[in-house]
Amino acid sequence: RKEVEQDPGPFNVPEGATVAFNCTYSNSASQSFFWYRQDCRKEPKLLMSVYSSGNEDGRFTAQLNRASQYISLLIRDSKLSDSATYLCVVKTGTASKLTFGTGTRLQVTL
Amino acid sequence: EPEVTQTPSHQVTQMGQEVILRCVPISNHLYFYWYRQILGQKVEFLVSFYNNEISEKSEIFDDQFSVERPDGSNFTLKIRSTKLEDSAMYFCASSEATTSRPDEQFFGPGTRLTVL
Repeated sequence: RKEVEQDPGPFNVPEGATVAFNCTYSNSASQSFFWYRQDCRKEPKLLMSVYSSGNEDGRFTAQLNRASQYISLLIRDSKLSDSATYLCVVKTGTASKLTFGTGTRLQVTL
Repeated sequence: EPEVTQTPSHQVTQMGQEVILRCVPISNHLYFYWYRQILGQKVEFLVSFYNNEISEKSEIFDDQFSVERPDGSNFTLKIRSTKLEDSAMYFCASSEATTSRPDEQFFGPGTRLTVL
């Protein structure tokens, strides 16, 4: 089983739509969770950390379900500029490394 | 807003040659990292560095790789004898590791390494 698993997509949605991405992780000792955004041939950019209580930042909402080892990202009112690959990222235990999923590609269209 | 910077943006080298990739982490950050991303694949961890020593490394980070913080600002990745399969984008990252944001890592724009 992959350490971090995501549906690669692509998700093609019209502007204004709501879209949700899911991610599962295999190591129950994982402690910290993030969503990063990566544009084509660019660096990963931190979108948001994911907290146990769930958190919201503008149009973006992240949820964590530790029992199911599942993380989600909801984007409301999609914009053309949201088109990118969304990376689910996990940090496990005392390890300093981040483990990345392969990413879910989002394409927002007119 | 402070950023991680990396040089060069693109490095082309012949197989067997040594390359040094350079990074300037965010100035008040204490933890430094190198990751790589082969084209079309996921981002993979190489090494983390804290307090002037390696704190963790992956299986990819073999004897051909080394890291150094030669002064108070630069953080370098050296590949001693490059192979074709080292062709990838190499990202440097740094983190502040404060109690409020312990794990958030910020990435530089990357160096694209092409080994011919």
